[in-house]
Amino acid sequence: QSVLTQPPSVSGAPGQRVTISCTGSSSNIGAGYDVQWYQQLPGTAPKVIIYDNNNRPSGVPDRFSGSKSGTSASLAITGLQAEDEADYFCQSYDGSLSGPVVFGGGTKLTVL
Amino acid sequence: QVLLVQSGAEVKKTGASVKISCKASGYTFINYYLHWVRQAPGQGFEWVGIVNPRGGSTSNSLKLQGRVTMTRDTSTTTVYMELSSLRSDDTAVYYCARSGSVDEGIVGAYMSFQSWGQGTLVSVSS
Repeated sequence: QSVLTQPPSVSGAPGQRVTISCTGSSSNIGAGYDVQWYQQLPGTAPKVIIYDNNNRPSGVPDRFSGSKSGTSASLAITGLQAEDEADYFCQSYDGSLSGPVVFGGGTKLTVL
Repeated sequence: QVLLVQSGAEVKKTGASVKISCKASGYTFINYYLHWVRQAPGQGFEWVGIVNPRGGSTSNSLKLQGRVTMTRDTSTTTVYMELSSLRSDDTAVYYCARSGSVDEGIVGAYMSFQSWGQGTLVSVSS
């Protein structure tokens, strides 16, 4: 049972826009702590694609964007491409006994 | 470039211990925090603990309290994670990951994980 809640799966056709939600609580996202997003391709280590809510590391396409509001955060991917098919995880800091580092359960993105 | 290279897969019996390593290169080892994170098969990630390579201090998850020991060797720029009294639910891929600068204190400690090792599969069975 992950502290942050994500939908198990989302899907979209090439070129479409999808969003992945990450719902937390008052001890993590709602407390103002930053949210990170990671992309994990099958059999590989995760790669950060959004850090501190809405910042992209160099090399990450601007098709990826992040936002945060209240106790939730979202990852948006526009102009879906086949290579975006992967698992996506959110992560934040948690000030309760669940922390300090908490993750979402992950969302499998399928490009139809 | 930053490179974190982990030791190879391990197969252990329940009740045994395992020690895995993560060798860092491409940056000044003592300047950045290193974490251990694990991912059980088909599951999400779980934080294991953090190492401050400069002073060697560590902190780990309450769930693993008493079973996990993290150390570092500055001469070889390597961090180690030892897990004892292994159980079947410890079966997972264990990753080391680098976060922020030690000079930034707790902010640096819990920044995003910008670099990851390739992962080490630890399989535990009876």
